[in-house]
Amino acid sequence: DIQMTQSPSSVSASVGDRVTITCRASQGISNYLAWYQQKPGKVPKLLISAASSLQSGVPSRFCGSGSGTDFTLTISGLQPEDFATYYCQQANSFPYTFGQGTKLEIK
Amino acid sequence: EVQLVDSGGGLVQPGRSLRLSCTASGFTFGDDAMTWFRQAPGKGLEWVAFIRSKAYGGTTEYAASVRGRFIISRDDSKSIAYLQMNSLKTEDTAVYYCARPAFGRYMDVWGKGTTVTVSS
Repeated sequence: DIQMTQSPSSVSASVGDRVTITCRASQGISNYLAWYQQKPGKVPKLLISAASSLQSGVPSRFCGSGSGTDFTLTISGLQPEDFATYYCQQANSFPYTFGQGTKLEIK
Repeated sequence: EVQLVDSGGGLVQPGRSLRLSCTASGFTFGDDAMTWFRQAPGKGLEWVAFIRSKAYGGTTEYAASVRGRFIISRDDSKSIAYLQMNSLKTEDTAVYYCARPAFGRYMDVWGKGTTVTVSS
């Protein structure tokens, strides 16, 4: 199975800050990576597919990059609604696996 | 509006069975793969099962933790995906979500989730 390691596991930031979350795959997954946002008690929301393709309706302050084993999600100009938990997911092969999540908290 | 409605959760004793349903609307269900995920209380997301469309043979994939106990199926005439869960264990307790995987890979539509509690 492909292991996905996210870091940090939690981060505190202020409105307006820039935050970067990283995700490392235990083996190469090309660009078959997605990022999701999940708020407490809510359903996960797909933000980015294919490592860098922004989903329709997702603000442009979200940016994904990377390929192979190393990926990043950058949020520029944090807004109050961005405080949530973020997960990466590899879609290269079954079993699909997720990172453990990064909780983005308000400083 | 593209929508998934998952249902069928509840409280069940260890060793018993439960069947979850995922009713789709707003898109051509038969053209798409479907998948199930779960999230244990306070934990992260875990992929559970996947079923391809009939055009791709309707074949299935399972997480090792449920293989041999869970069965994913689909009824394209009703636009419903199912997850038959047998021999349930306490560690199967979670919110279960169905999702549509865009391109078979990225979950762009999710149900609201249905809670399964396995306890004596």
